[in-house]
Amino acid sequence: EDKVVQSPLSLVVHEGDTVTLNCSYEVTNFRSLLWYKQEKKAPTFLFMLTSSGIEKKSGRLSSILDKKEPFSILNITATQTGDSAIYLCAAPQANNNDMRFGAGTRLTVKP
Amino acid sequence: SAVISQKPSRDICQRGTSLTIQCQVDSQVTMMFWYRQQPGQSLTLIATANQGSEATYESGFVIDKFPISRPNLTFSTLTVSNMSPEDSSIYLCSVEVFYNEQFFGPGTRLTVL
Repeated sequence: EDKVVQSPLSLVVHEGDTVTLNCSYEVTNFRSLLWYKQEKKAPTFLFMLTSSGIEKKSGRLSSILDKKEPFSILNITATQTGDSAIYLCAAPQANNNDMRFGAGTRLTVKP
Repeated sequence: SAVISQKPSRDICQRGTSLTIQCQVDSQVTMMFWYRQQPGQSLTLIATANQGSEATYESGFVIDKFPISRPNLTFSTLTVSNMSPEDSSIYLCSVEVFYNEQFFGPGTRLTVL
């Protein structure tokens, strides 16, 4: 069965720190891996990764995929209190477009 | 991306009643999905809303409990029927705009007393 595992489950840092969030997956016929940020109710799309070794970047956030291991990391540099959220990774399953979500990493950034 | 709205944004309901949640997208999309997020949990797919045919339900979810309509390519409803406190969750619709890229609506927070 397809699965997505995130670590750590929670993380507390101070403003200015750099954090790395991990996502490993087992998905038959892998197509892509997605990262979301969830602050209140709805997850907000961050990145979609399809190719190994190509970093995607948006401001202080960046993500990269390693299909061999397989896993992905989400980096946040110079964290701010507004980065406090749950970060979810997800992968579409083999025979359809249904997403398998990880349990999420709850990030808390203290002032 | 697409602009997705959901109504209601939140509701408090009595046990045994039903609630219909609406999801509206500002553009035509082929794929629409309904998810549930129980307190402290990640997202779980309930079903894929198919336009012009019955929804495709995931294991553990049935049409009698979660009937879904998809009358056109921009709109879908999810009904939570005969509610119990265990149905208290956030319900989210999502759409696939680009291949494999799903975007979520703002969610409906449901509390069942």
